[in-house]
Amino acid sequence: AQSVTQLGSHVSVSEGALVLLRCNYSSSVPPYLFWYVQYPNQGLQLLLKYTTGATLVKGINGFEAEFKKSETSFHLTKPSAHMSDAAEYFCAVSAMGNQGGKLIFGQGTELSVKP
Amino acid sequence: DSGVTQTPKHLITATGQRVTLRCSPRSGDLSVYWYQQSLDQGLQFLIQYYNGEERAKGNILERFSAQQFPDLHSELNLSSLELGDSALYFCASSPTGGYGSPLHFGNGTRLTVT
Repeated sequence: AQSVTQLGSHVSVSEGALVLLRCNYSSSVPPYLFWYVQYPNQGLQLLLKYTTGATLVKGINGFEAEFKKSETSFHLTKPSAHMSDAAEYFCAVSAMGNQGGKLIFGQGTELSVKP
Repeated sequence: DSGVTQTPKHLITATGQRVTLRCSPRSGDLSVYWYQQSLDQGLQFLIQYYNGEERAKGNILERFSAQQFPDLHSELNLSSLELGDSALYFCASSPTGGYGSPLHFGNGTRLTVT
């Protein structure tokens, strides 16, 4: 079965500092991976996705993620945090087989940005 | 704006009651997914429909049911409600419901059972 694990339920950074949110996946086949962001009282918004090809994926709002097969990781980074980045972030993997393309989500990481 | 519309935004009801949550997918999307989000369980997949047919089932209780109509909108019916059913319910859609397709989420319906 496929799964994702997000390390750290809460991460706090200062404005302008590097953001690093960790995600490790488990999959018996090459995975399709996603990062979503959820702002308070809103739905999940797609930040970026990894399918195949380039291992460094650029997303919206200055975020990027690197797929590392050897480490089974797909960590999300942003060079300089902004106050508006405060939100909850979810890593997800697309379920294979007859699972209809559903996404399996990690438990989420809440990002706080201090002024 | 994802293009996925969910109504109502908030719902407050009593234990034992029945409610219906409605979802309109993005224009052109044939597949609809329902998820439940709670503090203790996180985001849990409930059920998926593709072009009117059930395609995949997750951790959906027997008290819950869903359907997708010919116009592709979907409804999630929750009955005999319990306090533990209080959660945020999300609908998402994708064009084909295939492996690797990103899902586009609505803003959710917050259900409070008192």
